[in-house]
Amino acid sequence: QSVLTQPPSVSAAPGQKVTISCSGSSSNIGNNYVSWYQQLPGTAPKLLIYDNNKRPSGIPDRFSGSKSGTSATLGITGLQTGDEADYYCGTWDSSLSVLFGGGTKLTVL
Amino acid sequence: QVQLQESGPGLVKPSQTLSLTCTVSGGSISSGDYYWSWIRQPPGKGLEWIGYIYYSGSTYYNPSLKSRVTISVDTSKNQFSLKLSSVTAADTAVYYCARVGREFDYWGQGTLVTVSS
Repeated sequence: QSVLTQPPSVSAAPGQKVTISCSGSSSNIGNNYVSWYQQLPGTAPKLLIYDNNKRPSGIPDRFSGSKSGTSATLGITGLQTGDEADYYCGTWDSSLSVLFGGGTKLTVL
Repeated sequence: QVQLQESGPGLVKPSQTLSLTCTVSGGSISSGDYYWSWIRQPPGKGLEWIGYIYYSGSTYYNPSLKSRVTISVDTSKNQFSLKLSSVTAADTAVYYCARVGREFDYWGQGTLVTVSS
């Protein structure tokens, strides 16, 4: 059971928008930056969002991140079949440990 | 472009020690700007952070694994290593090494380690 709570799965049609939530507490998300990772089938995770809402070079602006209080959200617009993947949120806790959410499987119908 | 590559045995017997090495290229572990981390993922499950190390040798471990984990660094080879003792089938996973600042920005491709007799 992960300390950071994500929905196990989300789905939407191509071209639509989807959001994935990540819920934590004041000892983790509430006082630390959140990052998001995309894991395509059979591959290593890839950094998608860092510092709550920043995108690394090469990540399209279809991907966005936000944080409010003890929760964070990943948004994906203009869904493509290539976006089908597992998505993980990550942050730190007050003891300098790293926390990952349980992961959310995105299905593009 | 920073690259990380895991190496080590793909099969370990129960009760033995799992040992992996991560070789970093395209950047120096000694730069001091980042930590270097191990993460694992059991088949069909999510990511689990194992621990990280600074070039100076300072380490931080997942409390749930702390009694069995040792992470070390060899700056002369630009490598860092993982040792996990007393393994069981529950330690079967893909093991990743990664560079970490406030986020994990570069990852290795991962290596599957199976614990079985």
